[in-house]
Amino acid sequence: AQTVTQSQPEMSVQEAETVTLSCTYDTSESNYYLFWYKQPPSRQMILVIRQEAYKQQNATENRFSVNFQKAAKSFSLKISDSQLGDTAMYFCAFMKLSTGTASKLTFGTGTRLQVTL
Amino acid sequence: DVKVTQSSRYLVKRTGEKVFLECVQDMDHENMFWYRQDPGLGLRLIYFSYDVKMKEKGDIPEGYSVSREKKERFSLILESASTNQTSMYLCASSPRTGKLGEKLFFGSGTQLSVL
Repeated sequence: AQTVTQSQPEMSVQEAETVTLSCTYDTSESNYYLFWYKQPPSRQMILVIRQEAYKQQNATENRFSVNFQKAAKSFSLKISDSQLGDTAMYFCAFMKLSTGTASKLTFGTGTRLQVTL
Repeated sequence: DVKVTQSSRYLVKRTGEKVFLECVQDMDHENMFWYRQDPGLGLRLIYFSYDVKMKEKGDIPEGYSVSREKKERFSLILESASTNQTSMYLCASSPRTGKLGEKLFFGSGTQLSVL
């Protein structure tokens, strides 16, 4: 079974600063996806960024980027130029690709990020 | 845009009641999922379905059952609600593996309180 660990329950960052959220995972699979989802107070889960394990290049989406270290099984999220709207719970998630059934997400316990003035 | 709709945002039920949580998606997705979210525990998978009438247990299926009679609708059933089932329930859907980069689309959740 796969496990996802987020060791920072809460973090705080000032507006315009950069923050990095940590995530490690454990798997014996070689082909998988990793995700960061954001859940603001509205409760709607929003996909922030996605990384395919076979791609060595780190994914980026505007102010969001990841540091994917496959050998170390580490997948951290960097938020640059933090904005008040980035305040949310952030979940790291792992997906093993399955055939004949659905590919499922395994989530970490989340990091609550507060962006302050 | 894909829309995943959960029938209730808040629900209050009594211990022992039979509870139905409904989820409907409008994008013809094959896969549908039910997760529960608890503080400090993240999201945990209860049940999922990869086709009409097909279902598989997730990590915490005890005390729950599901029904998928139509492709667009996936129901979570608490046969006899208990206080330890007080939680946020999130429904999600996705296309069959291999399409659209494996993204899950989530509903906005049902906060269930069992008294």
